[in-house]
Amino acid sequence: DAGITQSPRHKVTETGTPVTLRCHQTENHRYMYWYRQDPGHGLRLIHYSYGVKDTDKGEVSDGYSVSRSKTEDFLLTLESATSSQTSVYFCAISQGMYEQYFGPGTRLTVT
Amino acid sequence: KQEVTQIPAALSVPEGENLVLNCSFTDSAIYNLQWFRQDPGKGLTSLLLIQSSQREQTSGRLNASLDKSSGRSTLYIAASQPGDSATYLCAFYTGTASKLTFGTGTRLQVTL
Repeated sequence: DAGITQSPRHKVTETGTPVTLRCHQTENHRYMYWYRQDPGHGLRLIHYSYGVKDTDKGEVSDGYSVSRSKTEDFLLTLESATSSQTSVYFCAISQGMYEQYFGPGTRLTVT
Repeated sequence: KQEVTQIPAALSVPEGENLVLNCSFTDSAIYNLQWFRQDPGKGLTSLLLIQSSQREQTSGRLNASLDKSSGRSTLYIAASQPGDSATYLCAFYTGTASKLTFGTGTRLQVTL
């Protein structure tokens, strides 16, 4: 398995609170991604990074921000969580136009 | 915008059957294609990657093909086993930065 960990694995938070999810890799891959998976919508890209401090928006980026200060860490922040952000969040890594490898996921519930 | 459809949405077969999962896409300007499996409550496991210059890729009992002209990819599973029960997802790389567009998934159940 690719060396990808996500923390926390489960989180329950209240509407309006800030939340930060962490993705950590040990593979030294250049690209990192954040997806969310929802019933009826499948997997959708939130943000991605193509290098340290280089990030861009994906398909569903509203309400989310990201940061990448080191190659191995990619943080996803919900500035003010809403119930519509209840989802399973997956981090992925790749070395360019090749296979993406996924982390185990974080289940986030916003009450 | 690339749209990716997987048919059927769900499939139940007896153990030992050979089966085909279909994935169709609307934009032929794709690069690579990747098939994944996802077990309930788990992350995605990469099964096969077909690069744009290839037409198929094989791994064990799995064979995936890519036909860009017809906008289709198929995943063939030979001699299915109960352990193959999972959701299978296809995803296409388009544009830059290796961004993936995912299909809707096929939920497979292999019964004894």
